[in-house]
Parts: sequence; structure tokens; C-alpha cells
Amino acid sequence: SAVISQKPSRDICQRGTSLTIQCQVDSQVTMMFWYRQQPGQSLTLIATANQGSEATYESGFVIDKFPISRPNLTFSTLTVSNMSPEDSSIYLCSVARGTNEKLFFGSGTQLSVL
Amino acid sequence: QKEVEQDPGPLSVPEGAIVSLNCTYSNSAFQYFMWYRQYSRKGPELLMYTYSSGNKEDGRFTAQVDKSSKYISLFIRDSQPSDSATYLCAMGLNNDMRFGAGTRLTVKP
Repeated sequence: SAVISQKPSRDICQRGTSLTIQCQVDSQVTMMFWYRQQPGQSLTLIATANQGSEATYESGFVIDKFPISRPNLTFSTLTVSNMSPEDSSIYLCSVARGTNEKLFFGSGTQLSVL
Repeated sequence: QKEVEQDPGPLSVPEGAIVSLNCTYSNSAFQYFMWYRQYSRKGPELLMYTYSSGNKEDGRFTAQVDKSSKYISLFIRDSQPSDSATYLCAMGLNNDMRFGAGTRLTVKP
């Protein structure tokens, strides 16, 4: 398994502002993943973050809106920029362990945008 | 058609009941299958994983995969109020994962 610390756990933000979510893992990992979980919908992958390279974004997600940093093998941040109410969601950090298909998740960040 | 279909429920059962949770999928190439449990205000927790058709048992939980029918199930025996959570199915191919929307389960004392 993996111990993944994510913060903040929740936040209420104003439209047009930005929020940075932090994710800390208990040991080094090659890939870290950022997901969005909207009510009643399946987990959606936003991007994959590898240390030392640009994050890879999934269709529908762009770097200007969701900039990601990966400064080392145990830490990553996701910023939700210029927020609108449509960005209200749970954001989850995850890592893969073992044979690379077992995903472990942080506790999530519940974001509400007013 | 969604790649992974999961009945969102909600599902409510009395304590001690056998619970059956199900997902269907469309991509026959999926190689591995998982179930996650997610408590309110928490991240998903890996509960069961399997690579092959058949059953895999872990305590009160049994994961069942039928690749020919593209159908997976999670059975919970002797359900407890502490099992009340949302259960997500997931399946993957290489590093590409797909998730169901989750079934919300409530086990009433």
C-alpha cells in the first residue's frame, strides 16, 4: 500500500481565484496521478505527473487550467486556476504501486467554488 | 455506451445480509479488475483486485470476474454497518484505468 497525504482536505473558494492542492507520498514513486471525482460520475483522470518532465494531460484538461508541479519523487501539486462553480468537485491524488496497476489514493480535496 | 457501467444505487440492506454489487464493461481487452471502497470524505481504498476470470475471496468479500460476459461482481457476506460506503469498480489495461461511477451502500443495524 501507500500513505498519501493530501491537503487541504476541503476548501471553499471564490470564483476567479486559484487553489493549489498538495500531495505527499511516504516513499518514492515514478508516476503520480491526479483525478477529479464529480458527484454521481466516475473518477476522471486529469493528468499524469512524472518527476523531471512535463505532466501529461488527458483530453479535456489543459495545463493553463490545471498546472501541475512534480519537483521530486514524493511530492506533487495540482493548481485549479481561475475557478468557476463548474470546478466544484473532489480532487484526488494517486500513485501506482506493485506491478503498476494498483492505484492508491489520497484522502481527497473537496473543493466548492462560489 | 459507457466503457464501464455500474448501478449507482443507492442500495440499502439490513445487517447480516449478503450484498451483490455489479459492473459491466465493453472493452474485452481489460486485463485486471479491482474494487474500491470509499467512505464519505475519504479517498477510495483498494479492496480487491484480480487478473483472471473466476472468484477471489478475502474474508467476507468475494470478487467475481466473468470475462466472457464482461461482468464483474463483488459479494459481501454478513454485511456490517461499517460496510456502508460507496463501492467503485475499476478495470485496466496496462496503465490505463477506467472506473465505474460507484454504488452507494447502506447497511442498517
